[in-house]
Amino acid sequence: NAGVTQTPKFRILKIGQSMTLQCTQDMNHNYMYWYRQDPGMGLKLIYYSVGAGITDKGEVPNGYNVSRSTTEDFPLRLELAAPSQTSVYFCASSEPGGAKGYTFGSGTRLTVV
Amino acid sequence: QKEVEQNSGPLSVPEGAIASLNCTYSDRGSQSFFWYRQYSGKSPELIMFIYSNGDKEDGRFTAQLNKASQYVSLLIRDSQPSDSATYLCAVHNAGNMLTFGGGTRLMVKP
Repeated sequence: NAGVTQTPKFRILKIGQSMTLQCTQDMNHNYMYWYRQDPGMGLKLIYYSVGAGITDKGEVPNGYNVSRSTTEDFPLRLELAAPSQTSVYFCASSEPGGAKGYTFGSGTRLTVV
Repeated sequence: QKEVEQNSGPLSVPEGAIASLNCTYSDRGSQSFFWYRQYSGKSPELIMFIYSNGDKEDGRFTAQLNKASQYVSLLIRDSQPSDSATYLCAVHNAGNMLTFGGGTRLMVKP
C-alpha cells in the first residue's frame, strides 16, 4: 500500500527553468493538495483539487500550475523557476472534505539557483 | 489574525517528563482537530485526532479539546528523545479544508 508517492525527492533548478513535480495516490481519494514548506515555517497551500478536472487556488498559487486529469495523479508545474520557489513541496490526499485528516507524500526538496 | 495559533518553541523538556503542546483556533464551527508530528526533513505524520470535548488517549499521547475555549492540546507522557520533532496542529474548518498551525518544535533532552 504505497499511499501518496512524490517524485523526484530532490531537484536543483536554474533560474528560469521549468519542471513538473509528480504526485500519485492509490487510496482512491478525491481530494488532493499541494503545500510548500519553507525552513522553520508552517505549511502553505498552493493548489488543491476536489476531483478529476477540478482545481482551485490556495494561499500561494503564483508561479505554479496544476492539472487533475485522473483521480490518482495531481502534478504541480513550476514555470520560470525563481529563487523564491526554493522550498520543500508536499503533496497530500484525503477523503472528501478532509474530516479524517490528510495523508502526506514524502516531499520534494527543490533548490533554485 | 492567524486561524490556528501555536507557540513556535522550542519547548524543551527532560526525558521522562510530560510535554504539553497547545493550540488555539478562531473558527467556532470547527469540528475535527488533528495533531501531526514532523521529524526534521520528513513529511507530517498523523498521530492523533479528536472530535469531541474532553480527552482522548492513545498510548503515551493524550489529546484534549475544549471547544468553548477554542483550545486543543497534546500531552506526551514519559517523553523520549525520539519524540523530538515539530508538532503541527490542524483544524478542519467550514470550508472543508484543514488549516495548519505553524508548529511547535519539541526537544526532549536525555
